[in-house]
Amino acid sequence: NAGVTQTPKFQVLKTGQSMTLQCAQDMNHNSMYWYRQDPGMGLRLIYYSASEGTTDKGEVPNGYNVSRLNKREFSLRLESAAPSQTSVYFCASSENLREDYEQYFGPGTRLTVT
Amino acid sequence: GENVEQHPSTLSVQEGDSAVIKCTYSDSASNYFPWYKQELGKGPQLIIDIRSNVGEKKDQRIAVTLNKTAKHFSLHITETQPEDSAVYFCAAHSGYSTLTFGKGTMLLVSP
Repeated sequence: NAGVTQTPKFQVLKTGQSMTLQCAQDMNHNSMYWYRQDPGMGLRLIYYSASEGTTDKGEVPNGYNVSRLNKREFSLRLESAAPSQTSVYFCASSENLREDYEQYFGPGTRLTVT
Repeated sequence: GENVEQHPSTLSVQEGDSAVIKCTYSDSASNYFPWYKQELGKGPQLIIDIRSNVGEKKDQRIAVTLNKTAKHFSLHITETQPEDSAVYFCAAHSGYSTLTFGKGTMLLVSP
């Protein structure tokens, strides 16, 4: 099992450009998440999908959109990138049933917006 | 919503010493408390967790304690080794689909 995979690993954008970060999991998990990690700020939830067909805002959703394409895939889109969106982005998944709340994280995407 | 505070933000110890990281949470309904370890350039990985019906849990050199009354939980690492050097995150789950994370502790173990 590959677990949680993310593409790309690195990306540099100019202000105003758009891009989509891709995430896929092969563990048949119900829930998927997008976090951003900034120095001294920990992991902040951007959006999540509790189950296929649903998405909800997290703590810092402004400037982002998400799509739960199917049970395996959850993408994060930046429509018009800003320097404040320079960060490391992590996707995670969890079973979230029968009190199984453990989240499994991907390797991250390091995004720089100039 | 839930709020998780984590201390200290950095911790330096000598190899063989013990390390303790502490977290407090605000939502008394929280029932699951995981700890994640993040090595440089990688995603966080679960190392131990505890549920609200248990006061302490051990796994070899690591242990977690939970005080529901005071709403705090702690990670204890004994006989630290250089490979324990990493960033550690605590988190709390309060019955929705999400975890709320602390801001992290950078642990440095010197040989």
